[in-house]
Amino acid sequence: RKEVEQDPGPFNVPEGATVAFNCTYSNSASQSFFWYRQDCRKEPKLLMSVYSSGNEDGRFTAQLNRASQYISLLIRDSKLSDSATYLCVVLIDSNYQLIWGAGTKLIIKP
Amino acid sequence: ETGVTQTPRHLVMGMTNKKSLKCEQHLGHNAMYWYKQSAKKPLELMFVYSLEERVENNSVPSRFSPECPNSSHLFLHLHTLQPEDSALYLCASSQATGAYEQYFGPGTRLTVT
Repeated sequence: RKEVEQDPGPFNVPEGATVAFNCTYSNSASQSFFWYRQDCRKEPKLLMSVYSSGNEDGRFTAQLNRASQYISLLIRDSKLSDSATYLCVVLIDSNYQLIWGAGTKLIIKP
Repeated sequence: ETGVTQTPRHLVMGMTNKKSLKCEQHLGHNAMYWYKQSAKKPLELMFVYSLEERVENNSVPSRFSPECPNSSHLFLHLHTLQPEDSALYLCASSQATGAYEQYFGPGTRLTVT
C-alpha cells in the first residue's frame, strides 16, 4: 500500500463548478498534512496546511479525518487558473520527512 | 519568480558521461534537499542537508553523489547513469529540516540515453 494515495485524475471540471478530491495516508502516526500545487512544467508550491478543525482560504477548504486517515481539498467557484496538479503531503514527525502523494490533476474548462 | 535556482534546466547525457547539477538558494535557509520526480509517481526524497551536513540518504545508488559546500549551494554529481534515471530533479530548501514549507527550484529535466 502506498504511504500517501491520491486519485491521479484528471478531473475535468467546468469553470465555476465545485470540485473535491481526497487523499489517504497509511501511517497513523502522521501529524501534519498539507496540500501543494504544481502547475504544468513548474515546481511544487505550498497551497495550504490542513488542520484538524478544517481550514478555509478563500475558495479553498481543507479537511482532515484522522479516524479514516484521509484529507480532502474542496475548491469552490473554480477558475481556469486552478488547473494544476494538487499534491497531498504528510509530515512524519518522527523523522521530519515529507511524504508525497503522486498528485491529482485538475483541468478547468471554460 | 523563485528564491531557489537550478542549472542546467535541461540535460541530455550518455550512460558513460559525468555531469553535475547545481542548486542555489537565496532565502537564508538552513536545509536543502534533492528530489527525483518521475511521471505519475510521487516525489522521491534523495538527500537532505542541514547546515551543510548530510542528514539523510534514502538508499540512493552511488552513481548519484551530492555535495553541499555551504548552506546556499547544493550539487548533485552524476556518473554512469541508467536510462531509468531520466526524470525531473528538483532542489528545495526550507528554514530547517522538518519545516513543512519547502521552496523548490524549477528543476533539471534529465534524459539519459
